[in-house]
Amino acid sequence: AQKITQTQPGMFVQEKEAVTLDCTYDTSDQSYGLFWYKQPSSGEMIFLIYQGSYDEQNATEGRYSLNFQKARKSANLVISASQLGDSAMYFCAMREHYNTDKLIFGTGTRLQVFP
Amino acid sequence: IAGITQAPTSQILAAGRRMTLRCTQDMRHNAMYWYRQDLGLGLRLIHYSNTAGTTGKGEVPDGYSVSRANTDDFPLTLASAVPSQTSVYFCASSDSGSGELFFGEGSRLTVL
Repeated sequence: AQKITQTQPGMFVQEKEAVTLDCTYDTSDQSYGLFWYKQPSSGEMIFLIYQGSYDEQNATEGRYSLNFQKARKSANLVISASQLGDSAMYFCAMREHYNTDKLIFGTGTRLQVFP
Repeated sequence: IAGITQAPTSQILAAGRRMTLRCTQDMRHNAMYWYRQDLGLGLRLIHYSNTAGTTGKGEVPDGYSVSRANTDDFPLTLASAVPSQTSVYFCASSDSGSGELFFGEGSRLTVL
């Protein structure tokens, strides 16, 4: 069965520094998608970045990049130049099967950015 | 721009009562989902619907039912609420094939 593991319940980073949030996954599918969502204290879920299993290059969206290591089954989120507004809960998720959009989520990592 | 609207935003409910969480989307997305979020457990899929007229069970469907009479609406019903159903419930939709889920703002339910 597909599974997403986020082993860091909480992380701290100083403003302007880079931080990596870990995510490993388990799947027997050859074709899958990996997502990161941000949930600030206000509660809404904000889509950040997507990586397809066949994408040869790591996905990037502004200050967010996804360090995709297929052989290791890891999809770590890298946030460069952290800002105070990056303080939030971050969820890694995987599209369960190629032909559905159901996502399975990890347990999340709470990131705190301090001045 | 509405996107996905959930109601109520928050509700306190006595155990044993029936409750329906409403979800409406205006993006004409085929697929819709209900997740519950619990501390330390992340988001878990309750039920989903790939298209109007069809529904399916997710990871934690027991105690919940859904219907999909049309494209826009996807209500979640708790027939007889129990305290373990205290949670934040998120409705989401997707344009099939894109993968990205668009979420509502959540409904916080407390069952006493």
